Amino acid sequence: GENVEQHPSTLSVQEGDSAVIKCTYSDSASNYFPWYKQELGKGPQLIIDIRSNVGEKKDQRIAVTLNKTAKHFSLHITETQPEDSAVYFCAASPGGGADGLTFGKGTHLIIQP
Amino acid sequence: DTGVSQDPRHKITKRGQNVTFRCDPISEHNRLYWYRQTLGQGPEFLTYFQNEAQLEKSRLLSDRFSAERPKGSFSTLEIQRTEQGDSAMYLCASSSGQGLEVEQFFGPGTRLTVL
Repeated sequence: GENVEQHPSTLSVQEGDSAVIKCTYSDSASNYFPWYKQELGKGPQLIIDIRSNVGEKKDQRIAVTLNKTAKHFSLHITETQPEDSAVYFCAASPGGGADGLTFGKGTHLIIQP
Repeated sequence: DTGVSQDPRHKITKRGQNVTFRCDPISEHNRLYWYRQTLGQGPEFLTYFQNEAQLEKSRLLSDRFSAERPKGSFSTLEIQRTEQGDSAMYLCASSSGQGLEVEQFFGPGTRLTVL
């Protein structure tokens, strides 16, 4: 089955700086890669996703890149703000998102004022 | 448009008891998913439904776990003879559409503590 590795486990950045979280996956059949943000006591919130037919997607301060050859994808957050502090999870799926997602272990992002 | 709702939000039970959780998906979402999340880990897929049909079950879903979605709307997840290792957050998600390019939206979860 699919295995998703996520790094780093904790990331501390100064407010206004950029943050990058990286994930690798093992199943070459995976074609859907969402990113979720989870705040304490809440369920994961979808913030951006990318499908295997594109290499990059951007939504305001958030961007995701995908390298299918190397089987890795990354989340980029620019101009970080205090409200970006949370745990971020990457996930992968060979079914376009219609079947179960395989998640990484998460990155605790801390924005230092 | 309301999101995915789950009930209860918290459940404390004694080892050996049965518990049941409910999930109400986003209106008209035809797919519903259950995940389990332990402390410091990402969610782990348990099972999913398309309408009332249970299409996939993870190896994590032992015989003590059963999920139903009888009318293709809300779903229940029952755990029989609970064990301390069942303590976790149980998350429900839903998605819409007939195709395969869909997005899953999660509820707030039910936190289970087994004493």
